[in-house]
Amino acid sequence: DADVTQTPRNRITKTGKRIMLECSQTKGHDRMYWYRQDPGLGLRLIYYSFDVKDINKGEISDGYSVSRQAQAKFSLSLESAIPNQTALYFCATGSQGIGETQYFGPGTRLLVL
Amino acid sequence: GQQLNQSPQSMFIQEGEDVSMNCTSSSIFNTWLWYKQDPGEGPVLLIALYKAGELTSNGRLTAQFGITRKDSFLNISASIPSDVGIYFCAGPYSGAGSYQLTFGKGTKLSVIP
Repeated sequence: DADVTQTPRNRITKTGKRIMLECSQTKGHDRMYWYRQDPGLGLRLIYYSFDVKDINKGEISDGYSVSRQAQAKFSLSLESAIPNQTALYFCATGSQGIGETQYFGPGTRLLVL
Repeated sequence: GQQLNQSPQSMFIQEGEDVSMNCTSSSIFNTWLWYKQDPGEGPVLLIALYKAGELTSNGRLTAQFGITRKDSFLNISASIPSDVGIYFCAGPYSGAGSYQLTFGKGTKLSVIP
């Protein structure tokens, strides 16, 4: 079984719709992250959380919100989706015991029409 | 923020050839991480480097932490078709202990059988 899972794996939505991407982990890590990947731009950090209820903005947080209600779960919401939010979204986890190393989920491919 | 420059951006090689790619920064890094992303999947950690001058191997992969702490190199020996993918370097976003990573834009590797 995968240690970091993301749902859905693929999603098509329309402009203006609210959507939520879910991430769950069984690694027991306290840190969780949401990244966005666009072709040629690498991975950019959206939000991160070091513990339950702890939320921190990353490099590109505008237009996104997150929720960390449990250590194993970190959800990303697009309140009103727009076409330039079409991208690959990755969740990652980390832990104080492993330094800066992060482990990634399989990704969610989002298309906003 | 800190930026990581990866080169080359892409490369096509014959199966069996050795591959070399590098990552440079204008800032000093205390940790260098190398990830590989297969098509349709999330990045997977290949090698982690924690000390200037460190040379670490993982099978046919060898990575080095540059002595200036501003660069790192990844070498793949005797390439095979499954080496195809995008290779990313990453380092702590703003100093040791920040637990945020900044990523290079990746080197896309294609292997010709």
